[in-house]
Amino acid sequence: EAGVVQSPRYKIIEKKQPVAFWCNPISGHNTLYWYLQNLGQGPELLIRYENEEAVDDSQLPKDRFSAERLKGVDSTLKIQPAELGDSAVYLCASSFNRDSEQFFGPGTRLTVL
Amino acid sequence: AQSVTQPDIHITVSEGASLELRCNYSYGATPYLFWYVQSPGQGLQLLLKYFSGDTLVQGIKGFEAEFKRSQSSFNLRKPSVHWSDAAEYFCAVGPNYGGSQGNLIFGKGTKLSVKP
Repeated sequence: EAGVVQSPRYKIIEKKQPVAFWCNPISGHNTLYWYLQNLGQGPELLIRYENEEAVDDSQLPKDRFSAERLKGVDSTLKIQPAELGDSAVYLCASSFNRDSEQFFGPGTRLTVL
Repeated sequence: AQSVTQPDIHITVSEGASLELRCNYSYGATPYLFWYVQSPGQGLQLLLKYFSGDTLVQGIKGFEAEFKRSQSSFNLRKPSVHWSDAAEYFCAVGPNYGGSQGNLIFGKGTKLSVKP
């Protein structure tokens, strides 16, 4: 069974450019998470979806970050415009429901120049 | 405020030696507790979790952890480390909302190096 798929794995952009990350969760998992992991830090939750509904986006910087999960399956996280401080690893995770084990994807490493 | 502290940024142990990684948490009630491992270029993998009951929890890959309420600690242990255990280890807490798990809060991680 395939795990959580993320693409791209690496992305290098110049500041002020837009960027998008894609995540495909494990089949049947209703809950999807996006985390930000800065160098030398643990993951920090950006947003959690229950099916297509964003139920917790309190940590998402809404001035430049947006996310969607239109059909309750795969999800896209966007940054527009990117800033130097956005350089980090963006992790996606999914779980059957909010009380189940979270399975993490390999992440997208973003470098903003 | 809820928080997780992993006091050791980097630990080096010899292969075959025992290992203990420390984790302390700050939370008003008994949270759910987790240990994850992250190998380079990989996502996080759950090693073990504590929800309730027996305070000594067994996990995968020969790891175990002990919940000590009096010390607000959830230290991870392994009796004999293998070279493949070299990775970064994260402790996390999840609020216990009457049996329902809240969002996870992660520590900053401990990087484990294993020398031959």
